[in-house]
Amino acid sequence: SQQGEEDPQALSIQEGENATMNCSYKTSINNLQWYRQNSGRGLVHLILIRSNEREKHSGRLRVTLDTSKKSSSLLITASRAADTASYFCATGKGEGNKLVFGAGTILRVKS
Amino acid sequence: NAGVTQTPKFQVLKTGQSMTLQCAQDMNHNSMYWYRQDPGMGLRLIYYSASEGTTDKGEVPNGYNVSRLNKREFSLRLESAAPSQTSVYFCASRGAGGDTQYFGPGTRLTVL
Repeated sequence: SQQGEEDPQALSIQEGENATMNCSYKTSINNLQWYRQNSGRGLVHLILIRSNEREKHSGRLRVTLDTSKKSSSLLITASRAADTASYFCATGKGEGNKLVFGAGTILRVKS
Repeated sequence: NAGVTQTPKFQVLKTGQSMTLQCAQDMNHNSMYWYRQDPGMGLRLIYYSASEGTTDKGEVPNGYNVSRLNKREFSLRLESAAPSQTSVYFCASRGAGGDTQYFGPGTRLTVL
């Protein structure tokens, strides 16, 4: 069973606009991570937020975590065509920080 | 550094055939993982290895075996492939003290 559910399933925006993706999960976690996957490629780690953190920034990325609502959001500001990809949230817990992934959001940025 | 490498990139099997997917990392990481990704779904953990000589089942281990040959290499074996095992397989590794996993490029497997 998948821990995370992502919303929306697909998002299409114009270059320069902001993109927001949401992730909800079911059980307690150690951390929540966001990964990007370009078509036909492996996953690239974007950002990690720990369960005791509420917000984190990395370049054009902003992640929030609300453990009371068991939800997270990823904001990409000033999007570029190169941001077109699938984005996955993954929750880490337990020994080995095993990750449980959501089904992903497909982002298309039109130039 | 090559990071995490996987071989082969593509493979087509007939039902009942066996094969081994290879994974190696050159980052001196202790932990290694095998995932599968089916269309429209996120990755699901098949097996995990915390260190050389140890392995643990993940969410979907049935039909698979693994071997942690040494610190660098972690292989995934399908003894008798089934069409339900058609998927893209990803290997990942994680260093001690860190939570980020680093992924290989994947192996696209089709079982006819």
